[in-house]
Amino acid sequence: GAVVSQHPSRVICKSGTSVKIECRSLDFQATTMFWYRQFPKKSLMLMATSNEGSKATYEQGVEKDKFLINHASLTLSTLTVTSAHPEDSSFYICSARFSNTEAFFGQGTRLTVV
Amino acid sequence: SQQGEEDPQALSIQEGENATMNCSYKTSINNLQWYRQNSGRGLVHLILIRSNEREKHSGRLRVTLDTSKKSSSLLITASRAADTASYFCATDQTGGFKTIFGAGTRLFVKA
Repeated sequence: GAVVSQHPSRVICKSGTSVKIECRSLDFQATTMFWYRQFPKKSLMLMATSNEGSKATYEQGVEKDKFLINHASLTLSTLTVTSAHPEDSSFYICSARFSNTEAFFGQGTRLTVV
Repeated sequence: SQQGEEDPQALSIQEGENATMNCSYKTSINNLQWYRQNSGRGLVHLILIRSNEREKHSGRLRVTLDTSKKSSSLLITASRAADTASYFCATDQTGGFKTIFGAGTRLFVKA
């Protein structure tokens, strides 16, 4: 299957700082990328959908100004957690797909805000 | 809720037994996928079944799909301790390109 690379795999940051997570499709052009958040022992909750070159569409309840998503190219999307707080600590996973094909997932980023 | 339902939420069985997990979803789909996730790790893709398929096999895995009932099942035969993990179904929704996850089943296989 296609490869989606997510970086970093783990990050610890201080409260009040911002953290950027990258999601890259390595061997295909991702017209659409998705960002998910997973709390411990829970399922993956879709946060937002981003299409290359346009604004992300956020799911209900997700703060746009807190979670900035950029999808500037067909192979890269970034999620920036701004002014992070301990409650933002979570496992974040991206996925990418080309057109109507199946989605491929990154390996996730564990964010810890201290 | 964006999630479908999965049952059971948790399942504990002996090694060698079969494990069956069920998933229900809410909207029309293009396909349904099953994933495994070990604690604190990324997702491992297990199997994809398209909306026009009813059953699919892969090794010890058997997946069924009933689009009229909007449900799917995952059967793991002859389970092993290494199968201990959380299992999620995920649906690719028609027209919207979203992949939505079910609540998941936590499987524990005792050696």
